[in-house]
Amino acid sequence: NAGVMQNPRHLVRRRGQEARLRCSPMKGHSHVYWYRQLPEEGLKFMVYLQKENIIDESGMPKERFSAEFPKEGPSILRIQQVVRGDSAAYFCASSAGTGGLNEQFFGPGTRLTVL
Amino acid sequence: AQSVSQHNHHVILSEAASLELGCNYSYGGTVNLFWYVQYPGQHLQLLLKYFSGDPLVKGIKGFEAEFIKSKFSFNLRKPSVQWSDTAEYFCAVNAGSGNTGKLIFGQGTTLQVKP
Repeated sequence: NAGVMQNPRHLVRRRGQEARLRCSPMKGHSHVYWYRQLPEEGLKFMVYLQKENIIDESGMPKERFSAEFPKEGPSILRIQQVVRGDSAAYFCASSAGTGGLNEQFFGPGTRLTVL
Repeated sequence: AQSVSQHNHHVILSEAASLELGCNYSYGGTVNLFWYVQYPGQHLQLLLKYFSGDPLVKGIKGFEAEFIKSKFSFNLRKPSVQWSDTAEYFCAVNAGSGNTGKLIFGQGTTLQVKP
């Protein structure tokens, strides 16, 4: 069984460019969570999506960041006009249902480096 | 706001030593508690979880954790570590009414086991 897939695994961008991070959930999962891990810190929740809906974006920076999970295809985390402070590991997790009792399965992460 | 604190940032042990990693959370209501592990170069994976019932939870690879409600703690233990336990360990919680499952993570503990 394929797990949660993320690509690219490593992404290098110059300041001002756009970064697009993709996440394909496990088969049968329709719930996706995005987390960010800054250097020397734990993972921080960013956004929770179900197919075609953003359910909770309380952890998303107010500007430059957006996320979507279309009916077909992977979930996308988009960062416009990247800055050095966006350099981090971005993890996606998927689950079969909502709520605290549903286990989240994590992808390998995308490591974004902004030059 | 909910938060999770892991007391030890970096732990070094010899093989066969006993392990205890501290985790405290701040939230007054019902919580679900998790320990995740990230082996070098691999995904985060679930070690164990507590939802309700017996506060002593057994996980994979000989790990266990004890939920002590009065202390808001969920410490991870293993009686005898192996070199292969070298990894980063994260404590996490989700909680609250309307719980969407988003996880609040501690900052992580890096465990290095010397052969």
